[in-house]
Amino acid sequence: EAGVTQSPRYAVLQEGQAVSFWCDPISGHDTLYWYQQPRDQGPQLLVYFRDEAVIDNSQLPSDRFSAVRPKGTNSTLKIQSAKQGDTATYLCASRGTGDAETLYFGSGTRLTVL
Amino acid sequence: QQQVRQSPQSLTVWEGGTTVLTCSYEDSTFNYFPWYQQFPGEGPALLISILSVSDKKEDGRFTTFFNKREKKLSLHIIDSQPGDSATYFCAASPTNSAGNKLTFGIGTRVLVRP
Repeated sequence: EAGVTQSPRYAVLQEGQAVSFWCDPISGHDTLYWYQQPRDQGPQLLVYFRDEAVIDNSQLPSDRFSAVRPKGTNSTLKIQSAKQGDTATYLCASRGTGDAETLYFGSGTRLTVL
Repeated sequence: QQQVRQSPQSLTVWEGGTTVLTCSYEDSTFNYFPWYQQFPGEGPALLISILSVSDKKEDGRFTTFFNKREKKLSLHIIDSQPGDSATYFCAASPTNSAGNKLTFGIGTRVLVRP
């Protein structure tokens, strides 16, 4: 069974540029999460979906960050006008209905904003 | 507010020794406590988890202990191996049908020396 797939693996931007991250969750997993992990810190939840619906985006900086999951499968996280403080690894995770607790993480996208 | 506190931030143990990581939390609604293991360049992966109705869970060389009264938990790794060198995160969430919003600690970087 394929795991959670993320792309790109790395991204390097100048401040003010936009970037998109893509996530393909484990097949059949209805819940998808985006986490931000700054260097030497734990993951911090940004937003999560059940199917195509946003369940909680209270931690998403809404003025520059957006996330969609239009068909309830793949998801895209976008940063408009990136800032140096956005430098972090962006992790996607998914969870299935049968395995009520376990989150399965992808390898992440490492973003550097210069 | 740091809801999940983890210590130490780093430690070194000799091969064959016992590694002990500790974690504390504040939110009384938390009742699910997983430990995740993360290697460089990879996403976190579930190592072991415990629910608040239990005080101990064992899986091979890994044991997690939970103290509800003190709001503390710990992870013990016996017979530590160089392959256990990784960053370990404790996490917590309330379990509910709306989703599993994990709050992570800052992590403990473990180095096992041969």
